[in-house]
Amino acid sequence: DAGVTQSPTHLIKTRGQQVTLRCSPKSGHDTVSWYQQALGQGPQFIFQYYEEEERQRGNFPDRFSGHQFPNYSSELNVNALLLGDSALYLCASSLELEQFFGPGTRLTVL
Amino acid sequence: EDKVVQSPLSLVVHEGDTVTLNCSYEVTNFRSLLWYKQEKKAPTFLFMLTSSGIEKKSGRLSSILDKKELFSILNITATQTGDSAIYLCAVGSGGYQKVTFGTGTKLQVIP
Repeated sequence: DAGVTQSPTHLIKTRGQQVTLRCSPKSGHDTVSWYQQALGQGPQFIFQYYEEEERQRGNFPDRFSGHQFPNYSSELNVNALLLGDSALYLCASSLELEQFFGPGTRLTVL
Repeated sequence: EDKVVQSPLSLVVHEGDTVTLNCSYEVTNFRSLLWYKQEKKAPTFLFMLTSSGIEKKSGRLSSILDKKELFSILNITATQTGDSAIYLCAVGSGGYQKVTFGTGTKLQVIP
């Protein structure tokens, strides 16, 4: 079992650009959640996908959007990047209550 | 708004010491409390607690939940340098298990 995988590992963008991050869930998991973790902070919930629908959302602007595919993999898109979007982006997959995290994508916005 | 508070924020101990990390929460429709260890990148799952008063154990780590007082503790006995990490407490709530994290406790174990 490969566990949760994310790509890319690192990414550098400039302000105003758009970025897409990808996540493949653990085998058998049907729910994917995305988190933003700034330095020194705990992960902040962005949104959760289940059956290709956004099921719930945290306090993030509409610049943050996502998608889930029929194979349960997911993408996180961020438009009009700001310096403050620099963070570690974590994907977590779950079947019931337990969540398992991927290695994350480190996004740096210059 | 759901809230999870961890204490202390950071801790330095010597190898062999026992440490207790605290987590208190205020959430609507509690479903579970989760503990994670984060070293470099991905938080790794330690425990999930859903019932009050039942201790979960894994080696030198143990955790217990008090749903009446809305807190949990994570104990680490006979600490080792490999225990140095950030320990995150998270609470799942609501029908779809929205997970709210605390800011973490940074533990440093020195030889």
